[in-house]
Amino acid sequence: QSALTQPPSASGSPGQSVTISCTGTSSDVGGYNYVSWYQQHPGKAPKLMIYEVNKRPSGVPDRFSGSKSGNTASLTVSGLQAEDEADYYCSSYAGSNNLGVFGGGTKLTVL
Amino acid sequence: QLQLQESGPGLVKPSETLSLTCTGSGGSISSSTYYWGWIRQPPGKGLEWIGSIYYTGSTYYNPSLKSRITISVDTSQNQFSLRLSSVTATDTAVYYCAGHGGFSSGWTLDYWGQGTLVTVSS
Repeated sequence: QSALTQPPSASGSPGQSVTISCTGTSSDVGGYNYVSWYQQHPGKAPKLMIYEVNKRPSGVPDRFSGSKSGNTASLTVSGLQAEDEADYYCSSYAGSNNLGVFGGGTKLTVL
Repeated sequence: QLQLQESGPGLVKPSETLSLTCTGSGGSISSSTYYWGWIRQPPGKGLEWIGSIYYTGSTYYNPSLKSRITISVDTSQNQFSLRLSSVTATDTAVYYCAGHGGFSSGWTLDYWGQGTLVTVSS
């Protein structure tokens, strides 16, 4: 299993929108609607933000949205706020004989 | 609300075995809904899925670590454990335990422990 590909960094000003991509293959991202996104603040555990491509757990602001096209999934953060500054990781199901696979992470900076 | 807490030594010598336990509270490790996994994060780096276990004892291991890892579950103590043998400095990481859905939910990691830093050093 190879890691998913994310840009190392992304940035935006407060109030703007930012989109983070996550590219895999037909064996993971493209093969299943099981992409999830996790937010991690420094020194903290990751927190589930999006699951099954575009679903939000209870309590996650609707400023966070997910989508997928082919082998690439995306996380969009709209109306950026200072507290959105964090690392974001994507993860995908990769088949019944495999564990989930992570992306390398994207550091989101709110300018 | 299920909470998970890792415990174990913070310092392990090279070539020895790393042992960690994750204890659940507010929910049962015997739940048929969830699988229980270990994920690690080397300092300044990304996440790596080590392996997972179902309450029945079925295990799923990262192929790159398979020869060195053992994950077990003790439902009577509401705990599951990780053993990683023959450790080297590259095994230094924050180790997280987590609860995730099964195949029908794409292994979404719903619950995370706070993480524990394990340093491999003599």
